[in-house]
Amino acid sequence: SQQGEEDPQALSIQEGENATMNCSYKTSINNLQWYRQNSGRGLVHLILIRSNEREKHSGRLRVTLDTSKKSSSLLITASRAADTASYFCAPGGTGGFKTIFGAGTRLFVKA
Amino acid sequence: GAVVSQHPSWVICKSGTSVKIECRSLDFQATTMFWYRQFPKQSLMLMATSNEGSKATYEQGVEKDKFLINHASLTLSTLTVTSAHPEDSSFYICSATGGNTEAFFGQGTRLTVV
Repeated sequence: SQQGEEDPQALSIQEGENATMNCSYKTSINNLQWYRQNSGRGLVHLILIRSNEREKHSGRLRVTLDTSKKSSSLLITASRAADTASYFCAPGGTGGFKTIFGAGTRLFVKA
Repeated sequence: GAVVSQHPSWVICKSGTSVKIECRSLDFQATTMFWYRQFPKQSLMLMATSNEGSKATYEQGVEKDKFLINHASLTLSTLTVTSAHPEDSSFYICSATGGNTEAFFGQGTRLTVV
């Protein structure tokens, strides 16, 4: 199994600012995914980064992965009020590799 | 990416009845599926892991007789909440993975027991 721990637990910023959240894990992984969850809704897949990648971009999202430090970061640039949500990282392998979620980072973007 | 579909997206049932939630992998064969539960303002808690054709493995503290999991095919797993009570009201999410693929998550099912 593999657990991701997000940091900080909560983050409050102004619209237009950048938001950075971090994820740490303990064992070797094959990939790491980031998800967003709006209050009371399901998970929305944001981005997947594989263990042989160091950085990946998708729109306003930038994800980095440092396998030597067993950590990942998610940067949301030019944040919007609609980015307000909880963000979870999911370190993963393949096959039956189960993911244990951390508490997530609650992001609040003030308009 | 691959698609995992859950049904229903929400359900309300009476206390004492049973509810079945389906998790389907639409465009890949899911050898393993995971079921999670999430209470309000909390993180997702892994309930069990199911492999196609074999019995599910439950996490500590999860009652296997209450949460029946069936993974009879490579595209479908079901979670049945038996004799549901109000404290079972929660958000249930499944994820599915093939042999060499990462896990993909369903949209979740909100269960309310009245």
